Amino acid sequence: AQSVTQLDSQVPVFEEAPVELRCNYSSSVSVYLFWYVQYPNQGLQLLLKYLSGSTLVKGINGFEAEFNKSQTSFHLRKPSVHISDTAEYFCAVSGMDSSYKLIFGSGTRLLVRP
Amino acid sequence: DAGITQSPRHKVTETGTPVTLRCHQTENHRYMYWYRQDPGHGLRLIHYSYGVKDTDKGEVSDGYSVSRSKTEDFLLTLESATSSQTSVYFCAISELKETQYFGPGTRLLVL
Repeated sequence: AQSVTQLDSQVPVFEEAPVELRCNYSSSVSVYLFWYVQYPNQGLQLLLKYLSGSTLVKGINGFEAEFNKSQTSFHLRKPSVHISDTAEYFCAVSGMDSSYKLIFGSGTRLLVRP
Repeated sequence: DAGITQSPRHKVTETGTPVTLRCHQTENHRYMYWYRQDPGHGLRLIHYSYGVKDTDKGEVSDGYSVSRSKTEDFLLTLESATSSQTSVYFCAISELKETQYFGPGTRLLVL
């Protein structure tokens, strides 16, 4: 079984500042990792994913994440945020086994202030 | 964006009544999923389908049933709605096992 921990429920940051949203996971098998973004009153949109290969993954809207197997982490970063990045961000994990299931963290609300 | 629609988008119902939510896809993806989203819990899997008439339970399946008679449609039924089932429900689809795409959601209020 897998689990995901997003340590920060809310991250306030000023516009144009860098941001890091933290995600840690646990799993007894190898995993696929995802970040999704949810804007108010909308569904979830895939930001980026790690399936294999390079541990640094680039996604949409200037976001990137780094898979660190030894620390079981997949932190999301952006060097300079915009007001429009205000949203809720979810980290999710799926085991590379016969399961089809995505396990989500509880989410981090990114609040970008002018 | 993946072609996923959910209906209805909003519903208010009373405790004890049956409710059916519909997810429709135009992508011909094999896998379909139903999640619920509640504050502080992220998204939790209710049921999923890995083909027509092939379904299985997720982590919060009690009080819910599903059916998939066609590739494009996945129905979620609350046989007798309770206030604890007030939530936002999301459908997702995937062709391969790893990447899921989500619908716009259905807000359900059970009074």
